[in-house]
Amino acid sequence: EVQLVESGGVVVQPGGSLRLSCAASGFTFDDYAMHWVRQPPEKGLEWVSLISWDGGSTYYADSLKGRFTISRDNSKNSLYLQMNSLRTEDTAFYYCAKGSSGSYYNLLDYWGQGTLVTVSS
Amino acid sequence: EIVLTQSPATLSLSPGERATLSCRASQSVSNYLAWYQQKPGQAPRLLIYDASNRATGIPARFSGSGSRTDFTLTISSLEPEDFAVYYCQQRSNWPPLTFGGGTKVEIK
Repeated sequence: EVQLVESGGVVVQPGGSLRLSCAASGFTFDDYAMHWVRQPPEKGLEWVSLISWDGGSTYYADSLKGRFTISRDNSKNSLYLQMNSLRTEDTAFYYCAKGSSGSYYNLLDYWGQGTLVTVSS
Repeated sequence: EIVLTQSPATLSLSPGERATLSCRASQSVSNYLAWYQQKPGQAPRLLIYDASNRATGIPARFSGSGSRTDFTLTISSLEPEDFAVYYCQQRSNWPPLTFGGGTKVEIK
């Protein structure tokens, strides 16, 4: 059974930094691209970032470039999101999601339960 | 960036009724359109991919249709567990991957 468990969400002040983690199990982690998607409370979904199976390629939403960095450690079956210069509008649930196989890497077939990041003074 | 517009924002229906949800793209996405279901307090779940293919384990009452810019998700007969928010997502022209604003299917 595929499981994705996010952690690291806390209350942080504007301008602060945070690193989210996602622990993956139930599939061969280094065979798949992985994504981060966020959702402000009571609002819609926003794609954040994608990393290829080997970490060699990364993509970001334009609005986040330069502040967020996605990475992965295949030896630990883990995905990360480093978030810097946080703003109040970054307040959201952050989900990690697994890309589907082959050319469907940008289709999100399994999602974690999310971790809440609150940016507030 | 491709913008996806979902309508209606809210659909009020009774169990057993048919639900028809719309997703319109600002430019052609071919058939690279997916639908997700999200229940309160839960993560989204993939329902439909490539406009009309049901994901693993999705009941046959869910069906998708459309191409290029106009897509429809149909739930043939609503079950109590189907009352949720539904999002469409395109993967044709990215980054970024984009989602629609969602349609809430609520009990009438």
